[in-house]
Amino acid sequence: DVKVTQSSRYLVKRTGEKVFLECVQDMDHENMFWYRQDPGLGLRLIYFSYDVKMKEKGDIPEGYSVSREKKERFSLILESASTNQTSMYLCATYEDRNEKLFFGSGTQLSVL
Amino acid sequence: SQELEQSPQSLIVQEGKNLTINCTSSKTLYGLYWYKQKYGEGLIFLMMLQKGGEEKSHEKITAKLDEKKQQSSLHITASQPSHAGIYLCGADMNTGNQFYFGTGTSLTVIP
Repeated sequence: DVKVTQSSRYLVKRTGEKVFLECVQDMDHENMFWYRQDPGLGLRLIYFSYDVKMKEKGDIPEGYSVSREKKERFSLILESASTNQTSMYLCATYEDRNEKLFFGSGTQLSVL
Repeated sequence: SQELEQSPQSLIVQEGKNLTINCTSSKTLYGLYWYKQKYGEGLIFLMMLQKGGEEKSHEKITAKLDEKKQQSSLHITASQPSHAGIYLCGADMNTGNQFYFGTGTSLTVIP
């Protein structure tokens, strides 16, 4: 089974802090995604990457950046956390062969 | 996302009842996915539909994609408390493997 690991299950940060959310996959997949999930809004795509050092903006990239130095790791960075970035963050990876999107267990981030 | 409309937003059913969740797009879908999410957790893959008219079943859950590939339904037969959670439809809109999701349907099954 594909394993998508998000480093933290729960995270509490202060406004203005720089925050790193890490995602690691063990299946050599090329495409990786970061979403945030909010009540009533569903999942919204922040950024995605289709190869090492390649990244594309999703629907809501403002206030975020990403890093993909190695194929297995896709990091989401909040340069200066704000309270409106309190959310559940979900990482996903895409398997071309079976055309499936696999998700990590999520990081619930609270910015105080 | 505005790309996919999901209904209803929430559903409360008695154990043993059947239910249907709908997912609609204004655009042709190149792949329609159904996921289940336990509260506060990640998404678990249920089924993927690609062809117009396709239907797939797993245990008591059946998903269908219409001929035009713009609407899908998820049907649960004889619901159980273990079916409770949030059901999300997602689709590949053929924009470079960008996946969009509906807002989800929260299902509660009362024993």
